[in-house]
Amino acid sequence: DIQMTQSPSSLSASVGDRVTITCRASQTISSYLNWFQQKPGKAPKLLIYAASSLQSGVPSRFSGSGSGTDFTLTISSLQPEDFATYYCQQSYTTPRTFGQGTKVEIK
Amino acid sequence: EVQLVESGGGLVQPGGSLRLSCAASGFTFSSYEMNWVRQAPGKGLEWVSYISSGAGTIHYADSVKGRFTISRDNAKNSLYLQMNSLGAEDTAVYYCAREVGYNNYFDYWGQGTLVTVSS
Repeated sequence: DIQMTQSPSSLSASVGDRVTITCRASQTISSYLNWFQQKPGKAPKLLIYAASSLQSGVPSRFSGSGSGTDFTLTISSLQPEDFATYYCQQSYTTPRTFGQGTKVEIK
Repeated sequence: EVQLVESGGGLVQPGGSLRLSCAASGFTFSSYEMNWVRQAPGKGLEWVSYISSGAGTIHYADSVKGRFTISRDNAKNSLYLQMNSLGAEDTAVYYCAREVGYNNYFDYWGQGTLVTVSS
């Protein structure tokens, strides 16, 4: 199985900060990497698919990059509604494994 | 509007069974692959199972293989997860999620249904 490792597991940031979350796959997954945002009590929401494609309706402050084994999610200017947990997921093969999550908290 | 609505969750004793349903609307259900994903309380997301649009291809996580069965009824726009031999480790919110074929990403999720396995 492909293991997905996110870092950091949590971070504290202020409104307006630039935030970067990284995700590493245990083997190459080309660009089959997706990013989700989840708020407490809610279903995950797709932000980025295919490593760098912005899902319709998602603000442009979210961006993704990377290919192969190393990927990054960047929030260019953190907004109050962005405080949540973020998950990467590989869709290269089954099992479609998720990273352990990164909780973004208010500083 | 795409909608996925799960149902069938609840409290079940260890060793028991439960059948989850996911009712789909707002899109051509028979054209999409579907998945089940679960989340134990306070934990991360765990992919559970996949079924192709015509049900010809099915995959399971090792943690549920042999105990869970995914199925679909395209005439009823519905996805199912039959769960047998349930244990405490299966306690979780279960989500159904639509998969977009060319990059295999999950673009729509249901609101989830809670399964609690406890005596």
